[in-house]
Amino acid sequence: GENVEQHPSTLSVQEGDSAVIKCTYSDSASNYFPWYKQELGKGPQLIIDIRSNVGEKKDQRIAVTLNKTAKHFSLHITETQPEDSAVYFCAASRRTGTASKLTFGTGTRLQVTL
Amino acid sequence: DGGITQSPKYLFRKEGQNVTLSCEQNLNHDAMYWYRQDPGQGLRLIYYSQIVNDFQKGDIAEGYSVSREKKESFPLTVTSAQKNPTAFYLCASSMTSGNPDTQYFGPGTRLTVL
Repeated sequence: GENVEQHPSTLSVQEGDSAVIKCTYSDSASNYFPWYKQELGKGPQLIIDIRSNVGEKKDQRIAVTLNKTAKHFSLHITETQPEDSAVYFCAASRRTGTASKLTFGTGTRLQVTL
Repeated sequence: DGGITQSPKYLFRKEGQNVTLSCEQNLNHDAMYWYRQDPGQGLRLIYYSQIVNDFQKGDIAEGYSVSREKKESFPLTVTSAQKNPTAFYLCASSMTSGNPDTQYFGPGTRLTVL
């Protein structure tokens, strides 16, 4: 089955700096790669996603890049703010019938310090 | 408001008791999912359902059971056969047309077995 590895497990940056989180996946059939942000005690919220036919996607301060050949994708957050502090999860997915089975990384705890 | 609700937020049970976690969605999504999250780990898929009266096992289905009698509801029962039931349980749903890959999560139920 699919295996997703995520690094680093913790990341501390100063406010205004950039943060980069990296993930690798094993199943070349995976074709959808979402990123979720989870605050303490809450459910994950989708922040950005990318499909395998696209190499890069950007939404304001957040961007995701995908390298299908190397099977890795990354989340980039620019101009970090204290409210960006949370746990971020990457995931890889391929369709199973009409459902989509997500395999998650183990998460990155991002701390943005003043 | 459209969304996914899970109840209760916190649940305590004695060892050996079965317990049922509720998940309801009013997004008109066909597919629904249950995940388990342990501290410092990613989410792992327990069960998923693509349509009413149908469901499939995920990666860690042992000790759990589900039903899907209504489109809006996908309850999860944690049975006494589950060896380590204490965890944070998350329900999600997705469309089966349009953008079927994107999963939206509920706020979660934290189950503690004493």
